[in-house]
Amino acid sequence: AIQLTQSPSSLSASVGDRVTITCRASQGIRSALAWYQQKPGKAPKFLIYDASSLESGVPSRFSGSGSGTDFTLTISSLQPEDFATYYCQQFHGYPPTFGPGTKVDIK
Amino acid sequence: EVQLVESGGGVVRPGGSLRLSCAASGFTFDDYGMSWVRQVPGKGLEWVSGLNLNGDSTGYADSVRGRFTISRDNAKNSLYLQMNSLRAEDTAFYYCARGGYRNYFDLWGQGTLVTVSS
Repeated sequence: AIQLTQSPSSLSASVGDRVTITCRASQGIRSALAWYQQKPGKAPKFLIYDASSLESGVPSRFSGSGSGTDFTLTISSLQPEDFATYYCQQFHGYPPTFGPGTKVDIK
Repeated sequence: EVQLVESGGGVVRPGGSLRLSCAASGFTFDDYGMSWVRQVPGKGLEWVSGLNLNGDSTGYADSVRGRFTISRDNAKNSLYLQMNSLRAEDTAFYYCARGGYRNYFDLWGQGTLVTVSS
């Protein structure tokens, strides 16, 4: 199975900060990567697919980039509602796998 | 409204069985592959099982293969997960998700908690 690692595992940031989360795959996955946001007690919310395509209704401050093995999720200006855990997921290989998550909390 | 609603979770003894259901609404159910994804409380996400549009192609995580069976009834807009020989390590929230086993998951249910305990 393709392994995904995320860094950092957690970060503290302030409203208005630019935040970048990295996801690295154990082998090349082209652009077959998605990002999700999860708040405590809630289901994951789909944000980005194909590494850089923003799901409809997701604020434009979220963006994704990368291909092959290295990917990033960027929040250009962190908002109060963005404090959550973020997961990457690859769907190039079988089975689909998730990264361990990055928790973004308030500084 | 486009939504997925899971049901069927609960407390079960080790070795027991449980059947989860997921009711889909607001979209054409048989246009999509579907999956189950689980999450141990406080931990990360794990894909469990998925199937294609008509249910004739299925996939399972190694951790559940041979014990869990995924199925769907397109006439009822429903997805199921039959879980047998349950173990303590199967304790988790189980989410129904839109997307097959070679896709992303663009719609999630609210989850149902399965607790395996004696």
